[in-house]
Amino acid sequence: AQSVSQHNHHVILSEAASLELGCNYSYGGTVNLFWYVQYPGQHLQLLLKYFSGDPLVKGIKGFEAEFIKSKFSFNLRKPSVQWSDTAEYFCAVNGGYQKVTFGIGTKLQVIP
Amino acid sequence: EAGVAQSPRYKIIEKRQSVAFWCNPISGHATLYWYQQILGQGPKLLIQFQNNGVVDDSQLPKDRFSAERLKGVDSTLKIQPAKLEDSAVYLCASSLEAGGNEKLFFGSGTQLSVL
Repeated sequence: AQSVSQHNHHVILSEAASLELGCNYSYGGTVNLFWYVQYPGQHLQLLLKYFSGDPLVKGIKGFEAEFIKSKFSFNLRKPSVQWSDTAEYFCAVNGGYQKVTFGIGTKLQVIP
Repeated sequence: EAGVAQSPRYKIIEKRQSVAFWCNPISGHATLYWYQQILGQGPKLLIQFQNNGVVDDSQLPKDRFSAERLKGVDSTLKIQPAKLEDSAVYLCASSLEAGGNEKLFFGSGTQLSVL
């Protein structure tokens, strides 16, 4: 069965700091990987996704994620966070079962 | 483009009562999902429909939960009878198809409190 681990459950950063949120998955075959974000008071929305090709994918608002197959990882990065990035971030995997499995989520708080 | 519509937004019931949630997906989206998100956890898939057929309901507690998607458009999720542990946000999502790389569009969710 596929699963997702997010290691940082609560992250606090100052504005302009760099961000990296860890995500590891378990699945032996080809995977599709996602990062979803939920801003305060809003619904979950897709930040970026990987399904093939360049393992470095870029999403909205300056976010990017790198798929490292050998490490079963799909970490989310942003070089300089803003207060508006305060949100909860969910890593998700689809290992071909047509079912998307979500991680527990990481709450990011950016301090002005 | 209209988003995924869900109602009600909040619901408070007592244990052993029944409750129903409604979802209207984005027009043209063949696949509809119901997720349960318990506080402090990620969304957990309860059931997935492709048009009006069930693709996956392996994590749906079928002794108390039921869902239907008549005519392949909107859907209802019902809990009867509710337990305290059913307190959660129930999220509906839709996608164009059921492919592995499909983007999910989520509704705002229904927050259920079971007392």
